[in-house]
Amino acid sequence: QKEVEQDPGPLSVPEGAIVSLNCTYSNSAFQYFMWYRQYSRKGPELLMYTYSSGNKEDGRFTAQVDKSSKYISLFIRDSQPSDSATYLCALGTGFGNEKLTFGTGTRLTIIP
Amino acid sequence: SAVISQKPSRDICQRGTSLTIQCQVDSQVTMMFWYRQQPGQSLTLIATANQGSEATYESGFVIDKFPISRPNLTFSTLTVSNMSPEDSSIYLCSVAGGGNQPQHFGDGTRLSIL
Repeated sequence: QKEVEQDPGPLSVPEGAIVSLNCTYSNSAFQYFMWYRQYSRKGPELLMYTYSSGNKEDGRFTAQVDKSSKYISLFIRDSQPSDSATYLCALGTGFGNEKLTFGTGTRLTIIP
Repeated sequence: SAVISQKPSRDICQRGTSLTIQCQVDSQVTMMFWYRQQPGQSLTLIATANQGSEATYESGFVIDKFPISRPNLTFSTLTVSNMSPEDSSIYLCSVAGGGNQPQHFGDGTRLSIL
C-alpha cells in the first residue's frame, strides 16, 4: 500500500464549477499537509499548507484536513481555465527541512 | 519565497554518459533536496544535501549513480551517471527557507536518454 494515494484523474469540469481533489494517507506520523499546482513544463508551485485538522481558506482555494480519517482535500471554487494543471498533495512528518511524500497528482482541466 | 534556477532545463543524452544538473538559489538555505518525477508517478526524493556534509540518500538511490555536491549555501549539483533509458525523467531541486517554511521547487530538468 502506498503511503499516499491520490486519484490521478484526469478530471474535467466546466468553468465556474466547484472542484474537489483528494488524497488519503496511511502514516499517522504525517503532520504537515501541502498542495502544489504544477503547470506543464514547470515545477510544482506551492498553493497551500496546513498542519492541523480543519479548513484553511485562501481566496478560491480551501484545504481541508481530517487526521482521524487520514484524508485531505483541496476545494477550488468558481474554477477558471487558468486552474487547469496537475495538483499534487504532499505530506511531511516535519516541516520545511524534511522529506515530502507526494501523491501521484490529479490532472485537472477546466472547460470554458 | 526563494527563486530557484535549474540548468539545463532539458537535455537528450546517450546511454552510458553522465549529466550534471545545477541548482542555484537566490538566498542562503540550509538544506536542498533533489527529487525525481517519472511519468505518471509521484515525485520521489533522491537525496537531501546539507552544505559541508555528505548528502543523505533515500532507499533505492546510491551515491555512485547520483553523486551530489553542495559547495555553499546557495548551490548544489546532481549528477546522473552511466545513464540508461530508465533514467529518463524530470529532476527537480527544492529548498526550504528558515524556520517553518515549506519547500519550493525549481522548474526542473527534463532528461531523455536515447
